[in-house]
Amino acid sequence: DAEITQSPRHKITETGRQVTLACHQTWNHNNMFWYRQDLGHGLRLIHYSYGVQDTNKGEVSDGYSVSRSNTEDLPLTLESAASSQTSVYFCASSEYQSEQFFGPGTRLTVL
Amino acid sequence: AQTVTQSQPEMSVQEAETVTLSCTYDTSENNYYLFWYKQPPSRQMILVIRQEAYKQQNATENRFSVNFQKAAKSFSLKISDSQLGDTAMYFCAFIASGYALNFGKGTSLLVTP
Repeated sequence: DAEITQSPRHKITETGRQVTLACHQTWNHNNMFWYRQDLGHGLRLIHYSYGVQDTNKGEVSDGYSVSRSNTEDLPLTLESAASSQTSVYFCASSEYQSEQFFGPGTRLTVL
Repeated sequence: AQTVTQSQPEMSVQEAETVTLSCTYDTSENNYYLFWYKQPPSRQMILVIRQEAYKQQNATENRFSVNFQKAAKSFSLKISDSQLGDTAMYFCAFIASGYALNFGKGTSLLVTP
């Protein structure tokens, strides 16, 4: 069965460190997204990609970057982790404007 | 700006009763797609129901149905015969331009015995 996976599921890091969160999907979807979920804010869009070599900034992109070298993967990098980036991160994929399939989420804590 | 407002941060309903979660949105687009997602304590995001704005007929999925009022930009979710497993956070969302979802802040629903 097709799926979307995220790793790690939990991560604790220190302020200033670089962190990369992995996202891998086997749906063969062109569209991939990264959201963060914080209490009182719902889910907010960080970055998204509509295909290989395509990346775009979302609503809360400062301090984050992504790259898309193949269809299956969209890693999210925090260049220099800050305490404000403590959050739950969700990766999702879709085809056109249909249902988005979400990964299980990564809980990141920045100390 | 494209926004989604869920005015009920928390709601409670007794098992077997009916509950309605409200959602309003704002967009200048004429064609868009509306969604309700459920997030149980497991944290997994699960699609509950989907509505295309060009369809006048309200979407229905088993015990879940929507009341879509395009002119009022309202998209409420009705859960009939509530079950304990319906306890979750519910998010209203829509896609207008592009393919990314715009989410509301969510409504926490508790189903009690």
